[in-house]
Order: sequence, then structure tokens, then C-alpha cells
Amino acid sequence: AQSVAQPEDQVNVAEGNPLTVKCTYSVSGNPYLFWYVQYPNRGLQFLLKYITGDNLVKGSYGFEAEFNKSQTSFHLKKPSALVSDSALYFCAVRDMPINAGNNRKLIWGLGTSLAVNP
Amino acid sequence: GAVVSQHPSWVICKSGTSVKIECRSLDFQATTMFWYRQFPKQSLMLMATSNEGSKATYEQGVEKDKFLINHASLTLSTLTVTSAHPEDSSFYICSAANRGQGNQPQHFGDGTRLSIL
Repeated sequence: AQSVAQPEDQVNVAEGNPLTVKCTYSVSGNPYLFWYVQYPNRGLQFLLKYITGDNLVKGSYGFEAEFNKSQTSFHLKKPSALVSDSALYFCAVRDMPINAGNNRKLIWGLGTSLAVNP
Repeated sequence: GAVVSQHPSWVICKSGTSVKIECRSLDFQATTMFWYRQFPKQSLMLMATSNEGSKATYEQGVEKDKFLINHASLTLSTLTVTSAHPEDSSFYICSAANRGQGNQPQHFGDGTRLSIL
């Protein structure tokens, strides 16, 4: 069965330092991977995705993620964290099989709360 | 970018009341909409998948008679929490996807905070 793991409930970094939010996945076949961010009392905002191609994916707000097939990981990164990056981050993988009835369902990680300290 | 509007943002009502939440795609045709429930400091729990013009597919453990979903048009889906009780209090979020964009992300509404007294 498909699954997504975010091993850290919370990540704390100082402003200006690089940040990493970890995500590993388990799927049959090629994964379609996504990162979303959620600010308090808001819905989710799409950050970036990996479907195919270059393993380093660049997204919104200066975030990027590296797809690593051998390690089945898709860690979210940013070179220099901002206090405004403090939020809840979710990793997700598209459920399989993709072509079965236009399946758009996502399998979600449990989320990682990022706190960027001034 | 794609915009999804969810209404209302907040609802406070008495136990036994039915509450309707609307989810609209403002600038694209949403052939599929998803309804999620989120508890404090927890992940998203998918409740159901709604395809335009057909019955919703509910996840295991979700009562379809309790959570009525209607997706009558390509821009509107509604979730009705029938005879709501305090345990139904939660944050409900919808998202929308277009069948024609297979690898595109879901687009989320801003959620509805439901509080049942």
C-alpha cells in the first residue's frame, strides 16, 4: 500500500539558516510527489511537485525539494529560512493506480510543524 | 492561479442543526472535489471524493448519511453535516481538481471551522 512518512513532528530553525523538512514514501510504480504548506486556520497551499525529470524541483517562496529514488525520499529544503515560513508542511503522494477512474486521491503525511525563530 | 472558495469560514450552531458547507472553483472546472476533515495539530483525513454528476465515494468509516455530499455542477460541491453534534466539531477543508490536468495539484479552499455547541 502507498504511504508517506514525515518522521519529524516539529522542526525548529533559526532565521537565515537552511531548513529541511523530511519526507519518505512507499509506492508501487513511479511516484507523483507533492508538498503543501498550511498556515493557521487556512487551507493548504501548493508548494511544488515531482512528476518526472530533474530530481531537484523548485517551487514557491524559495522552496525546493530533491527526489531521491534510491532512498525513496522527497525532502523539502530552503537555503535561508524566514520567520514567515513558520507553518505546517505536508508531503503527499498520488494514490495508485493513477489511470483507474481518474484517481486524484492523495496519500498524506502527518505533517511537520516548522518554527523559524528570529 | 486556480482559486477555490469555501464558505462559510466559521460556523457555530446548536446540536441537532444541519450545516451546509459550499466549495466553489472560481476559475476552472472541477470535475473532482475532495472533502477533508482535520483535527487540531493533525493531518488531513479524507472523507470523500466527489465527481461531478455522480455519487460521492466515501472513505471507510465515514457515514454517508451523516455527511451528505452533492456535486451537481463543475464549479460547486456541497457538504452537509446532518444533525450535527459536538463530536462533529472540526475543521473541514475542500479541494478541487480538473480531470483534464492529470498531474496538477489539488487546489484547496480556506476551510470551514465548525463548532457545535
